[in-house]
Amino acid sequence: DQQVKQNSPSLSVQEGRISILNCDYTNSMFDYFLWYKKYPAEGPTFLISISSIKDKNEDGRFTVFLNKSAKHLSLHIVPSQPGDSAVYFCAASEGTGGFKTIFGAGTRLFVKA
Amino acid sequence: DTAVSQTPKYLVTQMGNDKSIKCEQNLGHDTMYWYKQDSKKFLKIMFSYNNKELIINETVPNRFSPKSPDKAHLNLHINSLELGDSAVYFCASKGNRNGYTFGSGTRLTVV
Repeated sequence: DQQVKQNSPSLSVQEGRISILNCDYTNSMFDYFLWYKKYPAEGPTFLISISSIKDKNEDGRFTVFLNKSAKHLSLHIVPSQPGDSAVYFCAASEGTGGFKTIFGAGTRLFVKA
Repeated sequence: DTAVSQTPKYLVTQMGNDKSIKCEQNLGHDTMYWYKQDSKKFLKIMFSYNNKELIINETVPNRFSPKSPDKAHLNLHINSLELGDSAVYFCASKGNRNGYTFGSGTRLTVV
């Protein structure tokens, strides 16, 4: 039972354009959402998060949008850079103090120069 | 200075062996985790310890036994290794603020 779904295994984008990575969740108890970035042979690193009381959170080139009614969130990267090429994991938990975070399967982003 | 370090990075072993993976964090976090990334690339939680106390124990074979000697360490011991145990295992820690800090992973191959 996949509570967090990333339906696109990969995405290819031209440098300078926008990358949009999508994530859907099924558990309505989730109220805290995170994105992680992972390079090969490294562990995932925390990128950006959003609480369910917000619908948007921005940090530099990265913006996360949350649509609670649709149980959908997305990560926008503008402008995309070749160094952004990595696997991006969406994750969700019940509260920031929630001990259990559920991860999606990841989307591999390729940014072409 | 590595925040979450796990060793070894690679581990190749035969079926039936017993092996351990070690994890240490120097962040002062109270909570540590073991996640398994399977062949489908899902990161699945296995165990979580908070201040040396087991708080999450997912449906994991009892051949897997976590040990937390102190809150900075969470080791994973696996008995009687099976082919299906081959995966990348990630240790992580979490403080009061958002987000985990992950180790770089241990790629376990059982042959």
